[in-house]
Amino acid sequence: DTEVTQTPKHLVMGMTNKKSLKCEQHMGHRAMYWYKQKAKKPPELMFVYSYEKLSINESVPSRFSPECPNSSLLNLHLHALQPEDSALYLCASTDITGLNIQYFGAGTRLSVL
Amino acid sequence: AQSVAQPEDQVNVAEGNPLTVKCTYSVSGNPYLFWYVQYPNRGLQFLLKYITGDNLVKGSYGFEAEFNKSQTSFHLKKPSALVSDSALYFCAVRDVGFWGNKLVFGAGTILRVKS
Repeated sequence: DTEVTQTPKHLVMGMTNKKSLKCEQHMGHRAMYWYKQKAKKPPELMFVYSYEKLSINESVPSRFSPECPNSSLLNLHLHALQPEDSALYLCASTDITGLNIQYFGAGTRLSVL
Repeated sequence: AQSVAQPEDQVNVAEGNPLTVKCTYSVSGNPYLFWYVQYPNRGLQFLLKYITGDNLVKGSYGFEAEFNKSQTSFHLKKPSALVSDSALYFCAVRDVGFWGNKLVFGAGTILRVKS
């Protein structure tokens, strides 16, 4: 099973709202990633967690706050977003010690009004 | 820094014809190369990888890729295209540092297969 599950599939929020995106995998992967993707563009890396510790933050604005409660879960907390933050948010995971294939979830389509 | 380039924004091919989606790479050291496909409103699906070994790599859905070290290329191929192959294709290379590893993606190539 190479499934990464993301919820919700769609999210509409106002600029003053607080919401969270959730990602879950049960493949025993110890690296998890958040990406932001605009239409027909490659995914842009936002955050990387390795062994539940934040290892990469690609200069993401503080209105995005990641959290890794355990080795299977990854959250992205959203607050005071801007309309330009509207995008597809993708989660991925990989086996650090293996072939490093990243497996992606289906994504959350976020619209900020 | 590791990088990949996809020189074509779009590739058009007739159903049943062979297809090629191009990718060139620039790396220090041995490359870990990947191809992913993305269907509309979906996440990326892993197709195949090259790490070491045979230069011809076989992957999912009948796709294969040829690693060419002298030309620094890793082109994706399929002998006979299907309309259902129409999607957005990304080439990627692994970048490793003290912080761990990440994928560096090309700009993507839209493949359109017409019946």
